[in-house]
Amino acid sequence: AQSVTQPDIHITVSEGASLELRCNYSYGATPYLFWYVQSPGQGLQLLLKYFSGDTLVQGIKGFEAEFKRSQSSFNLRKPSVHWSDAAEYFCAVDQGAQKLVFGQGTRLTINP
Amino acid sequence: DSGVTQTPKHLITATGQRVTLRCSPRSGDLSVYWYQQSLDQGLQFLIQYYNGEERAKGNILERFSAQQFPDLHSELNLSSLELGDSALYFCASSSWTGLNYGYTFGSGTRLTVV
Repeated sequence: AQSVTQPDIHITVSEGASLELRCNYSYGATPYLFWYVQSPGQGLQLLLKYFSGDTLVQGIKGFEAEFKRSQSSFNLRKPSVHWSDAAEYFCAVDQGAQKLVFGQGTRLTINP
Repeated sequence: DSGVTQTPKHLITATGQRVTLRCSPRSGDLSVYWYQQSLDQGLQFLIQYYNGEERAKGNILERFSAQQFPDLHSELNLSSLELGDSALYFCASSSWTGLNYGYTFGSGTRLTVV
């Protein structure tokens, strides 16, 4: 069955430090991949998406993600985090049936 | 504003009651999806409609039903509510052409069952 794994439930980084959030998926073909961010009490905002082509994808708010087919991964990165990046981050996969399967999410805390 | 509108934003109701959540998709999008977000289950796909017809079903309880109307807005009906139905319910619409390729989510309806 289709699945998305975000191994880290909670990550804490210092402001200005780099960030990498992990995402692994299981799917037979190359899926459509997404990262969403959810601030407390808010909806889901799309950070970036990958469908095909260049495996390094640039998104909003300075985020980027790299699709690695050999590792079935789509990790999210940011070179320098800001206090406003504190939120919950969700990786999602479109399994071809045009519905999203989400990972369990990673909660990001920023230390001042 | 994502372009997907959900009402109401908050809803508090008692066990056994019935509620209706409403979603207006982004202009031009024909597909509507409903998701439930709870602490123990995470984000779960419930159901998808495309141009008025049910297209896919996920982990939707029999007490829940949905429909999409000719103007493309959708309603999710939750009946015989239980405490465990308390959750954030998201609606999304999708577009598969142009720059907005993908899914857009509304801000959600927070349902509290007491």
